[in-house]
Amino acid sequence: AQTVTQSQPEMSVQEAETVTLSCTYDTSESDYYLFWYKQPPSRQMILVIRQEAYKQQNATENRFSVNFQKAAKSFSLKISDSQLGDAAMYFCAYYGQNFVFGPGTRLSVLP
Amino acid sequence: SAVISQKPSRDICQRGTSLTIQCQVDSQVTMMFWYRQQPGQSLTLIATANQGSEATYESGFVIDKFPISRPNLTFSTLTVSNMSPEDSSIYLCSVGAGQGGETQYFGPGTRLLVL
Repeated sequence: AQTVTQSQPEMSVQEAETVTLSCTYDTSESDYYLFWYKQPPSRQMILVIRQEAYKQQNATENRFSVNFQKAAKSFSLKISDSQLGDAAMYFCAYYGQNFVFGPGTRLSVLP
Repeated sequence: SAVISQKPSRDICQRGTSLTIQCQVDSQVTMMFWYRQQPGQSLTLIATANQGSEATYESGFVIDKFPISRPNLTFSTLTVSNMSPEDSSIYLCSVGAGQGGETQYFGPGTRLLVL
C-alpha cells in the first residue's frame, strides 16, 4: 500500500522569508500524481499545487514551487516570500490507485 | 475547479441520533468522496459515492453506520447513524476532477460535535 510521510509536524517561518516543507512517499506504481493541499483554520481544503509523476519539470504556482525527486520519492514544497495568510496545515497527498494523505505539517508565519 | 457546498456547516447532536450531511456540486462529476478528519488528524477516506449504485466503503467503515446516497452527478449525502462522541469530527466531501478524476477539490466541511 502507498504511504505518505511528512516528517515535520510543525514549522515556522518569518514573514517574507522562504520555507520548505518535506514529504516522502512510498509506492510501487510508476504513474501517479502528487499534491499539496492547504487547510487554514477555516478548515477548507485548498489545492496548492499538483505534480504529474511523468513530468520531470517541477510544478510552480506563483510563490509555491515543488522539488520533485522521483527516484528518491520525495516531494517538497517551497513557499517563497511567506505571507501571514500562508499559516495553515499543509497536507501532502498521493494519487495512484488510491488517494492517500500525509499526516500534515502545521506552518506558522511570524510577523 | 468545481464549487462544492455542504450543509450543515456545523452541528451539535445528541448521542444515539443521526445526522445527514449534504454535498452539492455546481457541475456534473463522476467521482465524489466522503472523508472524516478527526481533531488534529489527517483525512481518512470513508467511501466513494457512486452514482446509481452502492457506495464503495473503505476498511473500517460500514454502510449501516455511514449510509451514502448519490442520486445524480451533482449531489450526495452522508448520514452518520447512531452517533457517539467518537464520531465528533469534520466530515468533508470532495469531487474528482481532471482527465481521470485525479485532482480532488473539497467542500468546506461539516463540523460535528456529539455530546
